[in-house]
Amino acid sequence: DQQVKQNSPSLSVQEGRISILNCDYTNSMFDYFLWYKKYPAEGPTFLISISSIKDKNEDGRFTVFLNKSAKHLSLHIVPSQPGDSAVYFCAALETGAGSYQLTFGKGTKLSVIP
Amino acid sequence: SAVISQKPSRDICQRGTSLTIQCQVDSQVTMMFWYRQQPGQSLTLIATANQGSEATYESGFVIDKFPISRPNLTFSTLTVSNMSPEDSSIYLCSVGAGQGINYGYTFGSGTRLTVV
Repeated sequence: DQQVKQNSPSLSVQEGRISILNCDYTNSMFDYFLWYKKYPAEGPTFLISISSIKDKNEDGRFTVFLNKSAKHLSLHIVPSQPGDSAVYFCAALETGAGSYQLTFGKGTKLSVIP
Repeated sequence: SAVISQKPSRDICQRGTSLTIQCQVDSQVTMMFWYRQQPGQSLTLIATANQGSEATYESGFVIDKFPISRPNLTFSTLTVSNMSPEDSSIYLCSVGAGQGINYGYTFGSGTRLTVV
């Protein structure tokens, strides 16, 4: 059973516009969420995270929003650039469980069109 | 954040053989993590490796199949034993990194394993 779901396998956006990547989770014990970017033949690169005590975290062009009641988070990239084209993974962590297991979604492939 | 060197980057192996993957970190870290990404799937944690103790394996993964060494605070190996085509995956090591609200995990570049 997928506890972290990224329902859009792919997304295409024009350069300069906003990219919105979505992620849903089912485990209410998750309290820390992360976004990763992955280029082909490279490992995932940490982008931004958010704790469940927050509803927004911003870092440059990247903003993550968390809606706990809906068990939904989203990553906004503004403005989108061709170099942002990659696969984006959402991951969740239950910090109180004593395990450091990140639970990942299957990823969304973002294509930014020049 | 920490820099991880992982090797080999890829390998093609015969079934029944074993492959050892190495990860070297440029700083001392308490915990290292090993993940697997099967084709079309999400990353799945195999085990957590602490220096000086046995690795902790997640459900579905056993030490006989994926023995792990952690001889010091900057190095770890994962061996994929008695390989079958189902073991064809990308294997990644990871360490914790960052502070506070932007705490994350840094990953190595991955090892793409194909078993034939």
